[in-house]
Amino acid sequence: DAGVIQSPRHEVTEMGQEVTLRCKPISGHDYLFWYRQTMMRGLELLIYFNNNVPIDDSGMPEDRFSAKMPNASFSTLKIQPSEPRDSAVYFCASSPSGRGIYEQYFGPGTRLTVT
Amino acid sequence: AQRVTQPEKLLSVFKGAPVELKCNYSYSGSPELFWYVQYSRQRLQLLLRHISRESIKGFTADLNKGETSFHLKKPFAQEEDSAMYYCALSGLTQGGSEKLVFGKGTKLTVNP
Repeated sequence: DAGVIQSPRHEVTEMGQEVTLRCKPISGHDYLFWYRQTMMRGLELLIYFNNNVPIDDSGMPEDRFSAKMPNASFSTLKIQPSEPRDSAVYFCASSPSGRGIYEQYFGPGTRLTVT
Repeated sequence: AQRVTQPEKLLSVFKGAPVELKCNYSYSGSPELFWYVQYSRQRLQLLLRHISRESIKGFTADLNKGETSFHLKKPFAQEEDSAMYYCALSGLTQGGSEKLVFGKGTKLTVNP
């Protein structure tokens, strides 16, 4: 199993552009999480899904951010329009049902730079 | 609100020395605490959880509710323990959903 897959691994874009980050969770996992990591704020939960349904999106910073999970094997995090302060590493993680939300398997992350 | 504090950003010890990574938490309910680790060029992964009371790679952590702490300890550090360590707390939010909150992490370096 390749684990959680994220693409792209690196993204450099200009302010105002739309950015889409992608995630494929581990097959059979019911939970999917999106995190943002910065030096200042550490690892912050943005949103998480259970069985493709958003459960908690209180961490989504503002309306510029949106996340979808159209099926059990794919999720996207979109930023439109992007701003320099969105520069961070974005992680996707998944966890299996029955383990609550604590046993999370992380992807390698997408390093986003907005100039 | 849940909060996890790791007071040390960096911690450096010599091989064979004891190591303790500090973690303090704030939570009004009954917490579940965890340690995650990220080795160089690897993914963030679960190291241990307090409920299981297990020792993983020689590390242990005891939940102290009186001091609201969950420090990670190892009696004899090894060079391969060098990594970024994150303490995390699982609890219910005001909205009723369960959430895992991470500390900002401590970078441990074990010198030869």
